[in-house]
Amino acid sequence: KNEVEQSPQNLTAQEGEFITINCSYSVGISALHWLQQHPGGGIVSLFMLSSGKKKHGRLIATINIQEKHSSLHITASHPRDSAVYICAVRFGRDTDKLIFGTGTRLQVFP
Amino acid sequence: SQTIHQWPATLVQPVGSPLSLECTVEGTSNPNLYWYRQAAGRGLQLLFYSVGIGQISSEVPQNLSASRPQDRQFILSSKKLLLSDSGFYLCAWSVGTDQPQHFGDGTRLSIL
Repeated sequence: KNEVEQSPQNLTAQEGEFITINCSYSVGISALHWLQQHPGGGIVSLFMLSSGKKKHGRLIATINIQEKHSSLHITASHPRDSAVYICAVRFGRDTDKLIFGTGTRLQVFP
Repeated sequence: SQTIHQWPATLVQPVGSPLSLECTVEGTSNPNLYWYRQAAGRGLQLLFYSVGIGQISSEVPQNLSASRPQDRQFILSSKKLLLSDSGFYLCAWSVGTDQPQHFGDGTRLSIL
């Protein structure tokens, strides 16, 4: 069964803290996505990666293919980072289907 | 630049009524198009995707259908809504398989 597990489900932090959100999946994948969903519901694609590490501003995404695990890091967190962060994976190269985790709700307080 | 429009933003419908949600993409040709649903407290679930006009793949058997009458238009429909159709519906596009997907702002559908 193809599954995507995220942890933690909820996360609170003080402004400036380093944040880590984890994603584990059950079988080999062709790509992993990190998405950000704002309180209004809109979703923004943050990263798509299949190996190694990607960085964009204060956001860093890493993936370990052997361990079937990815992490999303936020450095110097800010209240505007408060959102739900969603991990999604594609399990094959010939499919467009993404399997989504249930998300991690992050709240950053000033 | 590419943009995606989805409407309406919110919708309240009675059980048994029909549904039509529309999604259009601008600034790109022959995009892959997707309809997702996010039920309360649950992850996103792919409902339909399309790689071209008139080509629709259904992922989950349900009370809904999708159509792609034009290259950049994707429509989600139902003839008779059920209570279980309530949720947050998102349209997305990508330039192809295994590429990042870009999401619309979503439609919050409440069935009474």
